[in-house]
Amino acid sequence: DAMVIQNPRYQVTQFGKPVTLSCSQTLNHNVMYWYQQKSSQAPKLLFHYYDKDFNNEADTPDNFQSRRPNTSFCFLDIRSPGLGDAAMYLCATSRVRGPLTSGIGNEQFFGPGTRLTVL
Amino acid sequence: RKEVEQDPGPFNVPEGATVAFNCTYSNSASQSFFWYRQDCRKEPKLLMSVYSSGNEDGRFTAQLNRASQYISLLIRDSKLSDSATYLCVVRQGYQLIWGAGTKLIIKP
Repeated sequence: DAMVIQNPRYQVTQFGKPVTLSCSQTLNHNVMYWYQQKSSQAPKLLFHYYDKDFNNEADTPDNFQSRRPNTSFCFLDIRSPGLGDAAMYLCATSRVRGPLTSGIGNEQFFGPGTRLTVL
Repeated sequence: RKEVEQDPGPFNVPEGATVAFNCTYSNSASQSFFWYRQDCRKEPKLLMSVYSSGNEDGRFTAQLNRASQYISLLIRDSKLSDSATYLCVVRQGYQLIWGAGTKLIIKP
């Protein structure tokens, strides 16, 4: 089955120790997104790739970086995790980025998430 | 004012009851609308896209009122497995704007 896969599912790191989260997709979607979600809050978009074009949200801290070496893979790098970065990190994909008249094709599909703990 | 507002919840509802979720959005240029479901400590999953004419999928009915900038989700004959948080999502350009979600608890 086509899907969005995230590894690891749980990540524990120490304060200030860099960490990399990975996402892969078999959907062959053009767009990949990284969200941060804290408890009882809506997902917050950090950035997205439209093909190889990187798009950073204005309020995403510099501490967060991303790489997309090919269509299937996307990585989230947290250079110096702080206690406030403990959260669920969700990867999502969509076939296209913009809206379509029909609405079809621009839904986002999520991976299971990586829960990050910072000690 | 939040861009996407939902009922604060939680909703505690007996099994078999009908549940209605309401959502309003502030940007009249919003283009697409979705309901996602999120179980505790899991990822959001697309429940339904919401079309202008309204749409139904089994026990679930979604409605859109562009004039009032209002979206609704109706769940009929609720099941224990419907317990989750329901998130209203609005597309503006390439961005998805998420509501904070409404938690639903179905009681036996």
